Amino acid sequence: NAGVTQTPKFQVLKTGQSMTLQCAQDMNHNSMYWYRQDPGMGLRLIYYSASEGTTDKGEVPNGYNVSRLNKREFSLRLESAAPSQTSVYFCASSEGRTLAKNIQYFGAGTRLSVL
Amino acid sequence: AQKITQTQPGMFVQEKEAVTLDCTYDTSDPSYGLFWYKQPSSGEMIFLIYQGSYDQQNATEGRYSLNFQKARKSANLVISASQLGDSAMYFCAMSLAGGTSYGKLTFGQGTILTVHP
Repeated sequence: NAGVTQTPKFQVLKTGQSMTLQCAQDMNHNSMYWYRQDPGMGLRLIYYSASEGTTDKGEVPNGYNVSRLNKREFSLRLESAAPSQTSVYFCASSEGRTLAKNIQYFGAGTRLSVL
Repeated sequence: AQKITQTQPGMFVQEKEAVTLDCTYDTSDPSYGLFWYKQPSSGEMIFLIYQGSYDQQNATEGRYSLNFQKARKSANLVISASQLGDSAMYFCAMSLAGGTSYGKLTFGQGTILTVHP
């Protein structure tokens, strides 16, 4: 049972470099999400995709872009990385049909450092 | 906008005892869901329990129960018979049912639980 798979697990970037975080789920979920977790804080939503073909901004979207490639995959791109984007990034997915069914299942996270 | 508050940065409990982790929330939306997640030191987020705002009974999942007091806007997590493996960070989260907020989780800052043998 793979669930939600994120790659890479760790990444170090220099300021100004770009990279894409990959996320794939095998649960046939409709909705997918990207969060960031900073030290000592809860998760904050960056972007989400309620269903295939749609994406929308969350609480902290600046500096990021996303692509819902298909129902399974949802990628997060940093075009020009900044030290403030040093964080742990989590991808999640959910059925997204009713609130009771909207339990989000998370990937293992990507630990990103921007120097 | 919704808000989740967890006022206990850290809690300690003796193995086999029960512990309550506090969570209060703020929303004017009548339809919402409350979630608890566990984050062990390995970093993954593990779903524990869900409570809907219209649910008549408190949710239970094994050793986890949610003490839902709607009028007080609290959704405390109760862990019975604590085990060493319960040591982790615990997050309370909320999702609204309506409009553009649907499905998006707002998290509290978390409570670190340490279980002593």
